[in-house]
Amino acid sequence: GENVEQHPSTLSVQEGDSAVIKCTYSDSASNYFPWYKQELGKRPQLIIDIRSNVGEKKDQRIAVTLNKTAKHFSLHITETQPEDSAVYFCAAREEKLTFGTGTRLTIIP
Amino acid sequence: DAGVIQSPRHEVTEMGQEVTLRCKPISGHNSLFWYRQTMMRGLELLIYFNNNVPIDDSGMPEDRFSAKMPNASFSTLKIQPSEPRDSAVYFCASSDRGREKLFFGSGTQLSVL
Repeated sequence: GENVEQHPSTLSVQEGDSAVIKCTYSDSASNYFPWYKQELGKRPQLIIDIRSNVGEKKDQRIAVTLNKTAKHFSLHITETQPEDSAVYFCAAREEKLTFGTGTRLTIIP
Repeated sequence: DAGVIQSPRHEVTEMGQEVTLRCKPISGHNSLFWYRQTMMRGLELLIYFNNNVPIDDSGMPEDRFSAKMPNASFSTLKIQPSEPRDSAVYFCASSDRGREKLFFGSGTQLSVL
């Protein structure tokens, strides 16, 4: 089955700086890669996703890049704000979604 | 739409008791998923249904766990008998495009003493 590795497990950045979270996957047949944000005590919520026929996707301060050859994808958050503090999960799907272990992002005011 | 609705929000029970978690997916969604979240193991897929039919239950940890989806608007996850190591947050999620764009419920925080 699919195996998704995510790093770092924790990340602290100064407000206004950029944050990057990276994931690798094992199954070359995976074709859908979403990112979820989970605030403390809340449900995971989809923030951005990308399909395997696209190399990059951007939505305001958030962008995701995908390298199919290397089987890795990344989440980029620019101009970080305190409300970006949360746990972020990547996931990959071939037959079913498999989640990474999460990155706890802390924005330092 | 109210989103995916789970009940109860919190459940505290004693070891050996039966626990039933409930989920109402978003109307019109044809796929439903049960996840378990713990600090140690992250988000684990337990089972998912397409059109009310269980497709993959390989994530169900033991025979103590069972899930049903009697109709398109309701699903249950049952643990019998419960054990302390079952303590976790259980999320239900639904999707209207097979397995893309999951929408999660608020979760059930289960504590087994």
